Amino acid sequence: GENVEQHPSTLSVQEGDSAVIKCTYSDSASNYFPWYKQELGKGPQLIIDIRSNVGEKKDQRIAVTLNKTAKHFSLHITETQPEDSAVYFCAASSGNQFYFGTGTSLTVIP
Amino acid sequence: NAGVTQTPKFRILKIGQSMTLQCAQDMNHNYMYWYRQDPGMGLKLIYYSVGAGITDKGEVPNGYNVSRSTTEDFPLRLELAAPSQTSVYFCASSPRLAGSDTQYFGPGTRLTVL
Repeated sequence: GENVEQHPSTLSVQEGDSAVIKCTYSDSASNYFPWYKQELGKGPQLIIDIRSNVGEKKDQRIAVTLNKTAKHFSLHITETQPEDSAVYFCAASSGNQFYFGTGTSLTVIP
Repeated sequence: NAGVTQTPKFRILKIGQSMTLQCAQDMNHNYMYWYRQDPGMGLKLIYYSVGAGITDKGEVPNGYNVSRSTTEDFPLRLELAAPSQTSVYFCASSPRLAGSDTQYFGPGTRLTVL
């Protein structure tokens, strides 16, 4: 099956700086790559996603890039704010199943 | 819409007991999923369903059972609970095939087996 690796596991940035989280996947058939934000005590919530026919997608301060050849995709958050502090998960999907990375705990220091 | 709801929020079980985790969605989604989340780990798929009456195993199905008699409900059954089943359980739903659309998650059920 698919194997998704995510780095780093923890990340601290100063407010206003950028944060980058990287994921790799193993199954070249994976074609959908969502990113989720999980706040303490809550379920994951989709923040952005990208499909395999697109190289980059942006939504305000959040962007995702995908390199299909290298099988990696990244989340970029610019102008970070304290409310961006949370755990972020990447995932890869092929067919009916999703495979998740192990998460990145992001702390934005005011 | 309430979205995806899960009950209970917390539960403590003794080894060998059984219980059912409830999940319901009011978005008329065909696809529903059960995940478990262990500390420091990502979510692992237990079971999923592509419609009423159709279920299939995910990565970690052992020790669990599911049923899907209606579009709205997707209960997860634990038989003979074991300490290894201590985890946070999330239910999710999706309007279309998982590879082409996103999932909406419930708030989770925190289960402890002692």
